[in-house]
Amino acid sequence: QKEVEQDPGPLSVPEGAIVSLNCTYSNSAFQYFMWYRQYSRKGPELLMYTYSSGNKEDGRFTAQVDKSSKYISLFIRDSQPSDSATYLCAMRGGADGLTFGKGTHLIIQP
Amino acid sequence: SQTIHQWPATLVQPVGSPLSLECTVEGTSNPNLYWYRQAAGRGLQLLFYSVGIGQISSEVPQNLSASRPQDRQFILSSKKLLLSDSGFYLCAWSVARAGEQYFGPGTRLTVT
Repeated sequence: QKEVEQDPGPLSVPEGAIVSLNCTYSNSAFQYFMWYRQYSRKGPELLMYTYSSGNKEDGRFTAQVDKSSKYISLFIRDSQPSDSATYLCAMRGGADGLTFGKGTHLIIQP
Repeated sequence: SQTIHQWPATLVQPVGSPLSLECTVEGTSNPNLYWYRQAAGRGLQLLFYSVGIGQISSEVPQNLSASRPQDRQFILSSKKLLLSDSGFYLCAWSVARAGEQYFGPGTRLTVT
């Protein structure tokens, strides 16, 4: 079983829709959870950073962490064509490096 | 504000040639620094991290090495490249060991 599972997509939705992106993980030691957005041939850009379980909102983005289910989500409201990118979930426990999912390719149709 | 630089942006090297990729961070002191590789169809893989000058931890045994000669400089090297070393190399920094990590623009390496 891989440490972090993420559906690669592609996920295609119409502009203005609510997007739901998810990751599951197996390592119960993970405490810090992140979502990155990566445009083609660019470095990942940090979108959301959360610690332990709960919700965090920032503009059109909401991150949810459910440690009991080992499941994290990112919601994007009022999706825009500029949101089209690959979204990477990442997490860490006490170690220094991040463990990443493989990313979900998101396409927002105008 | 903090800025992270990587160069070169792209590189094409023959098998068996040496490699040197550089990463520098501006606007912060004593950052934690990281090298990741993103291969086609695979997620980001942590290669090395450093919590201070001269302190390097390796996550994946391979023919790559890393060095940190200055506080905000991180270098990834190889003496002889393999075809399997091709990929997108990303440098990242964080303020604290448990803090969020910020990535640079990356170096795309093609070994031919």
